[in-house]
Amino acid sequence: QMQLQQSGPGLVKPSETLSLTCTVSGGTIRNSSHYWGCLRQSPGKGLEWIGTLYYSGTTFYNPSLKSRVIISVDTSKNQFSLKLSSVTAADSAVYYCARHRAPGVVAAFDLWGQGTPVTVSS
Amino acid sequence: QSALTQPPSASGSRGQSVTISCTGTSSDVGGFNHVSWYQQHPDNAPKLIIYEVTKRPSGVPDRFFGSKSGNTASLTVSGLLPEDEAEYFCTSYAGNNVVFFGGGTKLTVL
Repeated sequence: QMQLQQSGPGLVKPSETLSLTCTVSGGTIRNSSHYWGCLRQSPGKGLEWIGTLYYSGTTFYNPSLKSRVIISVDTSKNQFSLKLSSVTAADSAVYYCARHRAPGVVAAFDLWGQGTPVTVSS
Repeated sequence: QSALTQPPSASGSRGQSVTISCTGTSSDVGGFNHVSWYQQHPDNAPKLIIYEVTKRPSGVPDRFFGSKSGNTASLTVSGLLPEDEAEYFCTSYAGNNVVFFGGGTKLTVL
């Protein structure tokens, strides 16, 4: 059974870069049947889609975050990673990795990581 | 502020039905049949319960029913059980490879 395991620091300083890594286990990230997404959830803004990746490296980003986001893939490690630059307190949230149930950003998220709480503070 | 509008709370008695709305525009909910619903219990990740407006993933009880009319999608939960008490989020594809979420509705089972 496929699982997503998240890793990354829980505390990031303002103006620095937030990094999150998602490791796919029980299957391959090079599965053409799925795209892979990053999302976040904060008390004030609910759930927010950050971006989506295909294993080929093709990416799609939320326009509101696009200037600060990079999502990349390492197929040799069966991982994909999120980097969010120039963070502020407003970026404090629980960050999730998730799998699209079918190819394309249109597809719903049917498998989620455990969530990583991230606080932006000096 | 969320792109899709959901009521912040809803409630119903055990055994009854409750409907949660998700209002968007003709550019998202009304324009595509790609509305999904997620259930989230405290301290857990969201769980997909409805996709493509009306479809249920394997294992989701048929007490959960999705529908759409115009720019508003709805999730109906019938035969309410205590374990249905959770937060429910809607999402919609909005074209140009963009996804919007609703702000979430906290469902209380009385």
